[in-house]
Amino acid sequence: DTGVSQDPRHKITKRGQNVTFRCDPISEHNRLYWYRQTLGQGPEFLTYFQNEAQLEKSRLLSDRFSAERPKGSFSTLEIQRTEQGDSAMYLCASSDGPSNEQFFGPGTRLTVL
Amino acid sequence: SQQGEEDPQALSIQEGENATMNCSYKTSINNLQWYRQNSGRGLVHLILIRSNEREKHSGRLRVTLDTSKKSSSLLITASRAADTASYFCATDEWETSGSRLTFGEGTQLTVNP
Repeated sequence: DTGVSQDPRHKITKRGQNVTFRCDPISEHNRLYWYRQTLGQGPEFLTYFQNEAQLEKSRLLSDRFSAERPKGSFSTLEIQRTEQGDSAMYLCASSDGPSNEQFFGPGTRLTVL
Repeated sequence: SQQGEEDPQALSIQEGENATMNCSYKTSINNLQWYRQNSGRGLVHLILIRSNEREKHSGRLRVTLDTSKKSSSLLITASRAADTASYFCATDEWETSGSRLTFGEGTQLTVNP
């Protein structure tokens, strides 16, 4: 499969716990994006990487959120001290250049109890 | 914040009919992309139209772009029950070129067999 993959697909956690999600982009894509989507809404941008450099972060990304892409390949998104408001679908996308198509993974659905 | 606004929010048609969804946006763009999302799943890229293009076709899909009116439309011809999904427009804004897509809230399309 040469598409974007995400792991896990579902995560249920208790408030206050830390969670980490992984995204594997399409292999030749140097740009990787994270979005968050709540029920009935469109995705909202969180952050993006060009290769290993994190070039932009949304104001939605509080200090409890951190993202990495250490070798310019896969990326991780960690949420510390989860809150119920963090419950959402976390989507990863990749592209092979600016202003090109972004291809999305299946998402990780997070439920914080 | 969501730039794109889709209209209508929900659309229900019979199989074989055409479905038209509209999207309006507010800022200058490099391109506009349309995505489909089945319930609880990731986004599937449908078509990208650049700011210097006015119309684009892909199979049963036809997309138009009017940059003077800051609007786009997605036409699905001869709809099928399998087209039932949410459809989102997303803009690649000139000011943030390549760093993010800004999504609307989507149109929920139901195609009745």
